[in-house]
Amino acid sequence: NAGVMQNPRHLVRRRGQEARLRCSPMKGHSHVYWYRQLPEEGLKFMVYLQKENIIDESGMPKERFSAEFPKEGPSILRIQQVVRGDSAAYFCASSPEAGAYTGELFFGEGSRLTVL
Amino acid sequence: QKEVEQNSGPLSVPEGAIASLNCTYSDRGSQSFFWYRQYSGKSPELIMFIYSNGDKEDGRFTAQLNKASQYVSLLIRDSQPSDSATYLCAGWKTSYDKVIFGPGTSLSVIP
Repeated sequence: NAGVMQNPRHLVRRRGQEARLRCSPMKGHSHVYWYRQLPEEGLKFMVYLQKENIIDESGMPKERFSAEFPKEGPSILRIQQVVRGDSAAYFCASSPEAGAYTGELFFGEGSRLTVL
Repeated sequence: QKEVEQNSGPLSVPEGAIASLNCTYSDRGSQSFFWYRQYSGKSPELIMFIYSNGDKEDGRFTAQLNKASQYVSLLIRDSQPSDSATYLCAGWKTSYDKVIFGPGTSLSVIP
């Protein structure tokens, strides 16, 4: 039973390029969360998605950032026109459906974005 | 006001001692609280969760929750060098609510 899979694990982009981070939740999980972690800081909530639906995007910057979780395939966090301040570790976590949810999050290994 | 606050540390304790990690939260609607451990360069892993007032013990770990004071703590008995990590406190209200993390406390256990 595979855990939460994130790729790429490491991504290097130059300023102005686009970054796409992918996350496949654990088998049987239908909710996905994205968190950003800057060096020496805690996890900052970005967005909470269900398949084909954004439940809460209150932590997403208004510009350049978008997220989706299509009916088929992984969840994708997209960052357009990256800047150096976007350099961080981006963690994806998943959880089961609301009725079975206890609040526990299952994390992927993270995608580390470096912007040159 | 931050929703979940922790002392950033670093907290240093000698091997074999008790490490005490503290967390406060501002949203009284929060129902459940979680302690995650995160080693440098790794993803967070759940250590304990608690949703009732009082103590909850699991091996060397004890979580304490006081909803009246909006306070959560984690005690680590017989601390080991392998416990050296950042400990993240998190709060959650209910389904379809996001889990909010504190900034983390760095713990160093000195051999």
